[in-house]
Amino acid sequence: DAGITQSPRYKITETGRQVTLMCHQTWSHSYMFWYRQDLGHGLRLIYYSAAADITDKGEVPDGYVVSRSKTENFPLTLESATRSQTSVYFCAILKGDNEQYFGPGTRLTVT
Amino acid sequence: GIQVEQSPPDLILQEGANSTLRCNFSDSVNNLQWFHQNPWGQLINLFYIPSGTKQNGRLSATTVATERYSLLYISSSQTTDSGVYFCAGESNSNSGYALNFGKGTSLLVTP
Repeated sequence: DAGITQSPRYKITETGRQVTLMCHQTWSHSYMFWYRQDLGHGLRLIYYSAAADITDKGEVPDGYVVSRSKTENFPLTLESATRSQTSVYFCAILKGDNEQYFGPGTRLTVT
Repeated sequence: GIQVEQSPPDLILQEGANSTLRCNFSDSVNNLQWFHQNPWGQLINLFYIPSGTKQNGRLSATTVATERYSLLYISSSQTTDSGVYFCAGESNSNSGYALNFGKGTSLLVTP
């Protein structure tokens, strides 16, 4: 959906580095989500946010930090990247009849 | 969270063939959705279908909530239908609308 952007789209980093992935929506929908996609696991929820300054853990939150100071932005930070965090990361928003729409994804490689 | 099983895991079709993809849930779900992940990785919304039947062109979906399953029908398949199809649903517990995904059905449509 063109209203959800993620940056960067591709990132290579080294083990131990801090990395921040950005998600931006052009609307002001309350709920935003971060998922990771790995082979054999489908998509799994990392964190979600119900509104600005309200966040909660999902299924796989360890090693990640989120913040949401503005409704339209939902950054995901890997404080000290590990190889197991190599994945494709998707941001999503909740619209309409509780339907989720996804951004284009960020492919992260940790070497 | 709930367990989501998709079948078959892989499917190869000749162009023009029909197919049915199935999604079973271990518990009651809300806000059931079907997605298509195209070869470029984009997750595209197909159906929001918590119950009943919907049709969109060559695709249709049916959810029988009381029996905890959903079906996606693809008729007269085309090569552009190739990709991975995911179903996902929200559990009835307080998870902030977070979706639980199946591992997907990987579809290849050959000319």
